[in-house]
Amino acid sequence: NAGVTQTPKFQVLKTGQSMTLQCAQDMNHEYMSWYRQDPGMGLRLIHYSVGAGITDQGEVPNGYNVSRSTTEDFPLRLLSAAPSQTSVYFCATTTRGGRVNTEAFFGQGTRLTVV
Amino acid sequence: SQKIEQNSEALNIQEGKTATLTCNYTNYSPAYLQWYRQDPGRGPVFLLLIRENEKEKRKERLKVTFDTTLKQSLFHITASQPADSATYLCALDRGYNNDMRFGAGTRLTVKP
Repeated sequence: NAGVTQTPKFQVLKTGQSMTLQCAQDMNHEYMSWYRQDPGMGLRLIHYSVGAGITDQGEVPNGYNVSRSTTEDFPLRLLSAAPSQTSVYFCATTTRGGRVNTEAFFGQGTRLTVV
Repeated sequence: SQKIEQNSEALNIQEGKTATLTCNYTNYSPAYLQWYRQDPGRGPVFLLLIRENEKEKRKERLKVTFDTTLKQSLFHITASQPADSATYLCALDRGYNNDMRFGAGTRLTVKP
C-alpha cells in the first residue's frame, strides 16, 4: 500500500519545454489535487478533481493542464515551462462526502527547476 | 481578499516548554481547520482537524483551539521535544468540493 506516489522526484526543464508530473494513488479516494509550494507562500491549489472525468481549476491554474481518466491517476501537464513555474509540486488525495471533510494525504513532492 | 497568516515564520523554544503557533484568517468562513506537519523534503502530514462548532481538540501532546469570532486557531505542543522540530501548516476548508487553503507555515525548532 504505497499511498500517494509522485514521479519524478526532481526535474530540470528548459524554458518552453513541456512535461508531465505523475501522481498515482492506491487509496481509492475520489478527490485528488495538485499544489505548488513556494517559499513564504504556502501551498497553493493548482487544479483538483472530485472524481474520474471531472476536473476544475484552483487558485493558480494558468500554464497547467490536468485530466482524470481513472480514479488512481491524476497527471499534471506543464504546457510550456517558464522560470516562474520553478517550485515544489505536491499531489494530494482525500475522501470527501458532502460536508464531511477528512484529512489530505500528500505525495513526497516533485522539485521542478525551469532554467 | 482571503488571507491566512501564521504568526511567525520561525519559532525557537527550549525542550520541555509548550510551543504555541497561531493561525489567523480574514475574509474566509471555514467549516474546518486542519493542522499539518511538514519535514524538509517531505509532503505535509495530517495532525488534527477541528470543526467550526468545536472550541478545542486534543491528541496526545497536541491541542488545537478554534475561535470563529476572532478568526483564529492556536496550535499547542506541550512538553516539546527536539523531534517536534518541523514546519507546521494550518489549512482552512469550507467543507465542500474543494478550496482547502494553506498558510505559509511556521518553522518550529525545539532546542535540547
